[in-house]
Amino acid sequence: KNEVEQSPQNLTAQEGEFITINCSYSVGISALHWLQQHPGGGIVSLFMLSSGKKKHGRLIATINIQEKHSSLHITASHPRDSAVYICAGLNYGGSQGNLIFGKGTKLSVKP
Amino acid sequence: DTGVSQDPRHKITKRGQNVTFRCDPISEHNRLYWYRQTLGQGPEFLTYFQNEAQLEKSRLLSDRFSAERPKGSFSTLEIQRTEQGDSAMYLCASSLKYRLAPYNEQFFGPGTRLTVL
Repeated sequence: KNEVEQSPQNLTAQEGEFITINCSYSVGISALHWLQQHPGGGIVSLFMLSSGKKKHGRLIATINIQEKHSSLHITASHPRDSAVYICAGLNYGGSQGNLIFGKGTKLSVKP
Repeated sequence: DTGVSQDPRHKITKRGQNVTFRCDPISEHNRLYWYRQTLGQGPEFLTYFQNEAQLEKSRLLSDRFSAERPKGSFSTLEIQRTEQGDSAMYLCASSLKYRLAPYNEQFFGPGTRLTVL
């Protein structure tokens, strides 16, 4: 079992739909990253959060530390949102050296 | 462009050859990370530096892998005697870690895609 699990693995939506991607983790983390990866590999950081909720444009990220769960929401989805979305926990501990990644959720938004 | 850059973007090599990748972090960032990502998987941590010191290495980093950050700026990742299993995307990230900050956001480069024939 991975330490960071995402669901669903694949998601197809129609343009305009509200999208939710879930992330659960079984390890202690000090913060959680949501990342976007486009074909070709480049990774963009969307959010880093340790509590509560953050919003940026049509993207909203929430985290519940007690339940070890985070969600990424996309409102009014658009084909340009098509990408792989990855959640990654910042390893808890003195070094805080590394991220522990989920396998990603591949999102395809159809026009 | 003031983001993280990596060179080369693509590398094709024959099994047994040595390869070296370079990462240039965001200029004021003191931490630099290397990750590896195979097809269909999330990235996996390899190693990270704070300034020129290599603070942590994953057990994934076999003795064929070596990373350096000699002046605390750019970093190189060398793979000796490459194997087909080394084929992957190698990602570099950097961050600015303040002494009292509980965590620090990482910014990623475009990656170097290695294919070992």
